[in-house]
Amino acid sequence: DGGITQSPKYLFRKEGQNVTLSCEQNLNHDAMYWYRQDPGQGLRLIYYSQIVNDFQKGDIAEGYSVSREKKESFPLTVTSAQKNPTAFYLCASSILTGNQPQHFGDGTRLSIL
Amino acid sequence: SQKIEQNSEALNIQEGKTATLTCNYTNYSPAYLQWYRQDPGRGPVFLLLIRENEKEKRKERLKVTFDTTLKQSLFHITASQPADSATYLCALAGVASNTGKLIFGQGTTLQVKP
Repeated sequence: DGGITQSPKYLFRKEGQNVTLSCEQNLNHDAMYWYRQDPGQGLRLIYYSQIVNDFQKGDIAEGYSVSREKKESFPLTVTSAQKNPTAFYLCASSILTGNQPQHFGDGTRLSIL
Repeated sequence: SQKIEQNSEALNIQEGKTATLTCNYTNYSPAYLQWYRQDPGRGPVFLLLIRENEKEKRKERLKVTFDTTLKQSLFHITASQPADSATYLCALAGVASNTGKLIFGQGTTLQVKP
């Protein structure tokens, strides 16, 4: 079955540590996205990518970095510069042409030790 | 700035009744609007899409309306069931958006009681 796989499901970060969240899709979608979800808030866009080796900042990119070396993969690194990283992180993908739905993974919950 | 508002209070209804959820937006002219369902600890799942030139869209027990004059979309679930209990998110994309980017509301939690 096609879909998006995020790993790990739960992740703990120590002070001063960078952590990387994995996102893999086998839907052959060009576009991929990373969102952050906090309680009572909507999904906020961190980064998105429309094509391999290219990505753009979303609304809250500070303290995060991404890469897009393969079409299937769009890992997100939460750096030590992100002072409030505790959140639920969601990865999504879509066909790039207009008005297409986004397909989401089941998220990674990041907490601070 | 662009703003999307969904009722932050949970909606509690009795099984069999129609649930109606609201999505209001300001400072925005969306080309289309999408509705998603999210269960606790899971990612959102796409339900319906409606374009700016469509007034209404239906899928089984679901109905979405889109009023660009009122800047509002209503999401209806008829003959609601306890299994419909979840958080429902609306999301908008603009005319110029060829990036696939969406702006999401904060979601409304629906609780259907048997």
